[in-house]
Amino acid sequence: SQKIEQNSEALNIQEGKTATLTCNYTNYSPAYLQWYRQDPGRGPVFLLLIRENEKEKRKERLKVTFDTTLKQSLFHITASQPADSATYLCALGAGTASKLTFGTGTRLQVTL
Amino acid sequence: ETGVTQSPTHLIKTRGQQVTLRCSSQSGHNTVSWYQQALGQGPQFIFQYYREEENGRGNFPPRFSGLQFPNYSSELNVNALELDDSALYLCASSFPSGRTQETQYFGPGTRLLVL
Repeated sequence: SQKIEQNSEALNIQEGKTATLTCNYTNYSPAYLQWYRQDPGRGPVFLLLIRENEKEKRKERLKVTFDTTLKQSLFHITASQPADSATYLCALGAGTASKLTFGTGTRLQVTL
Repeated sequence: ETGVTQSPTHLIKTRGQQVTLRCSSQSGHNTVSWYQQALGQGPQFIFQYYREEENGRGNFPPRFSGLQFPNYSSELNVNALELDDSALYLCASSFPSGRTQETQYFGPGTRLLVL
């Protein structure tokens, strides 16, 4: 069955450092992968989309990589700030998708 | 804010009851997806509506049903509520090119508690 794994343990980093979050998947051939941010009690907010034929995407302090051979995506936040503290979800979609399949999310805590 | 609204924000029901949740999609979006998010888990796809027709369904029983209206707003109905239905129900709208799903814009969710 399809499985998406994100580090279930919280990631604690110091302000100014780069946070790196991992998303691994099995039994899936996604056409694209998305990263969302979710704050407690709120809906997910879209951050970045990367397609299967793309290796890397950047947006301001965010960078995502996508390796379809390793079946892995890495999500980086550079110069992290306490305001970046949230849960980050990765989601996979197929070409003519009728759904997104989400991982369980990784909670990021950025401290001063 | 995404422009997607959901009502109510919170709801308490008892086992066996029925519930209707509502969603207004972002202006110009013709596709609405519903997700269930249990505590500590990622959202799980329930179903999607595209131009008033169901366009895919996840692994949820038939007592989960939905509707989409001509203005693209949507309802999620759950019959015969069970304790495990307690969760955050998320609505997301999108405007896919063709029938390909792209970025989804989520509402704030409805928190349902079944006692």
